[in-house]
Amino acid sequence: SAVISQKPSRDICQRGTSLTIQCQVDSQVTMMFWYRQQPGQSLTLIATANQGSEATYESGFVIDKFPISRPNLTFSTLTVSNMSPEDSSIYLCSVENRRDEQFFGPGTRLTVL
Amino acid sequence: SQQGEEDPQALSIQEGENATMNCSYKTSINNLQWYRQNSGRGLVHLILIRSNEREKHSGRLRVTLDTSKKSSSLLITASRAADTASYFCATGAGFQKLVFGTGTRLLVSP
Repeated sequence: SAVISQKPSRDICQRGTSLTIQCQVDSQVTMMFWYRQQPGQSLTLIATANQGSEATYESGFVIDKFPISRPNLTFSTLTVSNMSPEDSSIYLCSVENRRDEQFFGPGTRLTVL
Repeated sequence: SQQGEEDPQALSIQEGENATMNCSYKTSINNLQWYRQNSGRGLVHLILIRSNEREKHSGRLRVTLDTSKKSSSLLITASRAADTASYFCATGAGFQKLVFGTGTRLLVSP
């Protein structure tokens, strides 16, 4: 399975600010995925990030709020913009191997005050 | 929208007992994956079962899939305190995106 790292592991931010989360994979992958897990909830897919093209967002998520970059096949960033306390969540990136198994990074725990 | 519903929402057992968690989903799938999450940390991939498979084993884990009933179960045998975690099912229906269930919180007491 791929080794996935995320930075930062956690952060506490003020409302109205933005935070960029980094996701690094130890092998080249075509697609990377960003999920959100709100407190006490399950995971919800935010968007799918392909290298060299615009990310594809799920219903309820927009690029202005969650801009994503995918500059190469091992790296992606997710920015949470103009944050409010409702954005307090764990944000996770994931990748899929050739056997369709999807593996997740350790997550970024975000608290917005 | 979340497709999977998991049952029970919470399960409390003693060490050595078996734990069974169920997952139901609504639409056709290519595969179903089970994950473990400890204390709000990252997800650990446990097992993937494809739509043409009925049962799969991995160590103390046994997963079944009934596509006619759109349901799956995860059995953990001889549970340990270290198995205490939240367990999620996630369905894959193509385009590599997963839809997660609501999760089962398992507590294994020594």
